[in-house]
Amino acid sequence: AQSVTQPDIHITVSEGASLELRCNYSYGATPYLFWYVQSPGQGLQLLLKYFSGDTLVQGIKGFEAEFKRSQSSFNLRKPSVHWSDAAEYFCSGGYQKVTFGTGTKLQVIP
Amino acid sequence: GAGVSQTPSNKVTEKGKYVELRCDPISGHTALYWYRQSLGQGPEFLIYFQGTGAADDSGLPNDRFFAVRPEGSVSTLKIQRTERGDSAVYLCASSPARTGANVLTFGAGSRLTVL
Repeated sequence: AQSVTQPDIHITVSEGASLELRCNYSYGATPYLFWYVQSPGQGLQLLLKYFSGDTLVQGIKGFEAEFKRSQSSFNLRKPSVHWSDAAEYFCSGGYQKVTFGTGTKLQVIP
Repeated sequence: GAGVSQTPSNKVTEKGKYVELRCDPISGHTALYWYRQSLGQGPEFLIYFQGTGAADDSGLPNDRFFAVRPEGSVSTLKIQRTERGDSAVYLCASSPARTGANVLTFGAGSRLTVL
Protein backbone atom coordinates (compact mmCIF):
# COMPACT_ATOMS: atom_id res chain seq x y z
CA ALA A 1 0.00 0.00 0.00
CA GLN A 2 1.12 3.53 -0.67
CA SER A 3 2.14 5.07 2.62
CA VAL A 4 4.65 6.86 4.78
CA THR A 5 6.15 5.36 7.92
CA GLN A 6 7.59 7.11 10.93
CA PRO A 7 9.51 4.54 12.94
CA ASP A 8 10.05 6.68 16.03
CA ILE A 9 7.02 7.27 18.23
CA HIS A 10 8.78 9.48 20.74
CA ILE A 11 12.13 11.31 20.73
CA THR A 12 13.77 13.35 23.47
CA VAL A 13 16.55 15.83 22.76
CA SER A 14 18.31 18.48 24.78
CA GLU A 15 17.78 22.10 23.93
CA GLY A 16 20.49 23.21 21.52
CA ALA A 17 21.16 19.70 20.26
CA SER A 18 20.59 18.64 16.68
CA LEU A 19 17.49 16.75 15.62
CA GLU A 20 16.63 14.21 12.95
CA LEU A 21 13.17 12.70 12.57
CA ARG A 22 12.85 9.74 10.26
CA CYS A 23 10.30 9.16 7.53
CA ASN A 24 10.21 6.38 4.97
CA TYR A 25 7.84 6.25 2.04
CA SER A 26 6.40 3.47 -0.03
CA TYR A 27 5.04 4.55 -3.40
CA GLY A 28 5.35 3.32 -6.95
CA ALA A 29 6.90 6.57 -8.13
CA THR A 30 8.35 9.55 -6.28
CA PRO A 31 5.45 11.09 -4.41
CA TYR A 32 5.00 14.58 -3.18
CA LEU A 33 6.27 14.64 0.41
CA PHE A 34 5.52 16.96 3.29
CA TRP A 35 6.30 17.52 6.95
CA TYR A 36 3.69 19.03 9.24
CA VAL A 37 3.89 20.03 12.90
CA GLN A 38 1.10 19.93 15.45
CA SER A 39 1.45 21.64 18.80
CA PRO A 40 -0.88 20.67 21.66
CA GLY A 41 -4.35 21.96 20.98
CA GLN A 42 -3.26 23.44 17.67
CA GLY A 43 -3.94 22.60 14.06
CA LEU A 44 -1.49 21.08 11.61
CA GLN A 45 1.02 23.50 10.16
CA LEU A 46 3.10 22.84 7.06
CA LEU A 47 6.86 22.93 7.72
CA LEU A 48 8.13 22.09 4.24
CA LYS A 49 7.39 20.21 1.04
CA TYR A 50 9.20 18.30 -1.66
CA PHE A 51 7.83 18.08 -5.17
CA SER A 52 10.92 17.60 -7.38
CA GLY A 53 14.34 19.06 -8.08
CA ASP A 54 16.78 19.90 -5.30
CA THR A 55 16.66 17.05 -2.80
CA LEU A 56 17.43 19.29 0.17
CA VAL A 57 14.45 21.47 0.98
CA GLN A 58 14.29 24.30 3.44
CA GLY A 59 11.25 25.01 5.54
CA ILE A 60 10.03 27.34 8.20
CA LYS A 61 11.38 27.60 11.76
CA GLY A 62 14.87 26.51 10.68
CA PHE A 63 13.85 23.01 9.58
CA GLU A 64 15.12 21.20 6.51
CA ALA A 65 14.53 17.80 4.98
CA GLU A 66 16.46 15.67 2.55
CA PHE A 67 14.87 13.41 -0.04
CA LYS A 68 16.88 10.24 -0.62
CA ARG A 69 15.49 8.06 -3.37
CA SER A 70 17.95 5.22 -2.71
CA GLN A 71 16.70 4.94 0.87
CA SER A 72 13.06 5.88 0.25
CA SER A 73 13.47 8.43 3.00
CA PHE A 74 12.56 12.02 3.68
CA ASN A 75 14.07 12.82 7.07
CA LEU A 76 13.49 16.08 8.86
CA ARG A 77 16.42 17.87 10.49
CA LYS A 78 17.20 20.88 12.57
CA PRO A 79 20.72 21.83 13.67
CA SER A 80 19.78 23.32 17.04
CA VAL A 81 16.49 22.57 18.76
CA HIS A 82 14.61 25.17 20.80
CA TRP A 83 12.23 24.38 23.65
CA SER A 84 9.37 25.75 21.52
CA ASP A 85 9.96 22.95 18.99
CA ALA A 86 8.36 20.44 21.37
CA ALA A 87 5.37 19.15 19.42
CA GLU A 88 4.24 16.24 17.30
CA TYR A 89 5.64 15.95 13.79
CA PHE A 90 3.92 14.22 10.92
CA CYS A 91 5.38 13.11 7.63
CA SER A 92 2.90 12.85 4.79
CA GLY A 93 2.92 11.99 1.13
CA GLY A 94 0.94 11.16 -1.92
CA TYR A 95 -0.18 12.45 -5.27
CA GLN A 96 -3.80 13.53 -5.09
CA LYS A 97 -4.65 11.47 -2.01
CA VAL A 98 -2.38 12.56 0.83
CA THR A 99 -1.77 10.18 3.73
CA PHE A 100 0.02 10.72 7.01
CA GLY A 101 2.39 8.79 9.17
CA THR A 102 1.60 8.01 12.79
CA GLY A 103 3.71 10.90 14.04
CA THR A 104 6.78 11.44 16.20
CA LYS A 105 6.36 13.24 19.47
CA LEU A 106 9.34 15.48 20.24
CA GLN A 107 10.22 16.32 23.82
CA VAL A 108 12.87 18.98 24.47
CA ILE A 109 14.67 18.99 27.79
CA PRO A 110 16.65 21.92 29.21
CA GLY B 1 -12.58 33.10 3.93
CA ALA B 2 -9.09 33.60 5.32
CA GLY B 3 -8.74 30.05 6.53
CA VAL B 4 -10.51 26.71 6.71
CA SER B 5 -13.45 26.93 9.08
CA GLN B 6 -14.97 23.90 10.81
CA THR B 7 -18.13 23.79 12.84
CA PRO B 8 -18.94 22.79 15.45
CA SER B 9 -15.62 22.86 17.25
CA ASN B 10 -16.98 20.41 19.81
CA LYS B 11 -19.87 17.99 19.56
CA VAL B 12 -21.05 15.62 22.25
CA THR B 13 -23.68 13.12 21.24
CA GLU B 14 -25.18 9.86 22.38
CA LYS B 15 -24.56 6.50 20.82
CA GLY B 16 -26.93 5.90 17.93
CA LYS B 17 -27.50 9.56 17.08
CA TYR B 18 -26.88 11.28 13.76
CA VAL B 19 -24.16 13.92 13.45
CA GLU B 20 -23.18 16.46 10.80
CA LEU B 21 -19.82 18.21 10.72
CA ARG B 22 -19.32 21.19 8.44
CA CYS B 23 -16.23 22.44 6.63
CA ASP B 24 -15.92 25.80 4.90
CA PRO B 25 -12.71 25.76 2.82
CA ILE B 26 -10.57 28.63 1.67
CA SER B 27 -12.34 30.48 -1.11
CA GLY B 28 -11.32 29.19 -4.52
CA HIS B 29 -9.78 25.95 -3.26
CA THR B 30 -10.99 23.14 -5.47
CA ALA B 31 -9.72 20.21 -3.42
CA LEU B 32 -11.19 19.39 -0.01
CA TYR B 33 -10.10 16.61 2.33
CA TRP B 34 -11.55 14.98 5.44
CA TYR B 35 -9.36 13.21 7.97
CA ARG B 36 -10.02 11.61 11.35
CA GLN B 37 -7.46 11.88 14.13
CA SER B 38 -7.76 9.72 17.23
CA LEU B 39 -5.77 10.46 20.36
CA GLY B 40 -2.09 9.79 19.83
CA GLN B 41 -2.52 8.91 16.16
CA GLY B 42 -1.81 10.56 12.87
CA PRO B 43 -4.57 11.93 10.66
CA GLU B 44 -6.39 9.07 8.96
CA PHE B 45 -7.58 9.80 5.43
CA LEU B 46 -11.34 9.55 4.92
CA ILE B 47 -12.28 11.19 1.64
CA TYR B 48 -11.28 13.91 -0.75
CA PHE B 49 -13.21 16.01 -3.24
CA GLN B 50 -12.20 17.71 -6.44
CA GLY B 51 -14.97 20.22 -7.00
CA THR B 52 -18.31 18.64 -6.27
CA GLY B 53 -17.31 15.04 -6.79
CA ALA B 54 -15.66 12.63 -4.39
CA ALA B 55 -12.40 11.75 -6.15
CA ASP B 56 -11.42 9.15 -3.54
CA ASP B 57 -13.61 7.89 -0.71
CA SER B 58 -11.57 4.82 0.07
CA GLY B 59 -10.94 5.90 3.66
CA LEU B 60 -14.55 6.03 4.80
CA PRO B 61 -14.70 3.23 7.38
CA ASN B 62 -18.21 1.98 6.62
CA ASP B 63 -21.55 3.02 5.18
CA ARG B 64 -22.47 5.01 8.28
CA PHE B 65 -20.09 7.71 7.03
CA PHE B 66 -20.99 9.93 4.11
CA ALA B 67 -19.76 13.29 2.85
CA VAL B 68 -21.10 15.77 0.34
CA ARG B 69 -19.94 18.94 -1.34
CA PRO B 70 -22.92 19.92 -3.51
CA GLU B 71 -21.68 23.27 -4.80
CA GLY B 72 -17.96 22.64 -4.76
CA SER B 73 -17.35 24.77 -1.70
CA VAL B 74 -18.75 23.87 1.72
CA SER B 75 -18.64 20.18 2.65
CA THR B 76 -20.58 18.22 5.24
CA LEU B 77 -19.43 14.97 6.81
CA LYS B 78 -22.40 12.94 7.97
CA ILE B 79 -22.23 10.10 10.48
CA GLN B 80 -25.26 7.93 11.09
CA ARG B 81 -25.92 5.73 14.12
CA THR B 82 -22.82 6.99 15.89
CA GLU B 83 -20.73 4.58 17.92
CA ARG B 84 -18.29 5.24 20.76
CA GLY B 85 -15.45 4.32 18.44
CA ASP B 86 -16.31 7.30 16.23
CA SER B 87 -15.03 9.64 18.93
CA ALA B 88 -12.13 11.58 17.44
CA VAL B 89 -11.14 14.94 16.02
CA TYR B 90 -12.37 15.30 12.46
CA LEU B 91 -10.08 17.49 10.40
CA CYS B 92 -10.87 19.24 7.17
CA ALA B 93 -8.26 20.61 4.78
CA SER B 94 -8.39 22.37 1.46
CA SER B 95 -5.96 22.93 -1.39
CA PRO B 96 -5.96 25.03 -4.55
CA ALA B 97 -4.49 22.23 -6.64
CA ARG B 98 -6.57 20.73 -9.41
CA THR B 99 -4.01 18.06 -10.20
CA GLY B 100 -0.79 16.84 -8.71
CA ALA B 101 0.75 18.12 -5.52
CA ASN B 102 -1.55 19.17 -2.75
CA VAL B 103 -0.31 21.48 -0.03
CA LEU B 104 -3.09 21.26 2.50
CA THR B 105 -4.35 24.02 4.75
CA PHE B 106 -6.09 22.53 7.77
CA GLY B 107 -8.93 23.73 9.89
CA ALA B 108 -8.87 23.54 13.67
CA GLY B 109 -11.00 20.41 13.65
CA SER B 110 -14.30 19.24 15.10
CA ARG B 111 -13.94 17.16 18.24
CA LEU B 112 -16.66 14.51 18.35
CA THR B 113 -17.41 12.67 21.57
CA VAL B 114 -19.90 9.82 21.47
CA LEU B 115 -21.17 8.80 24.91
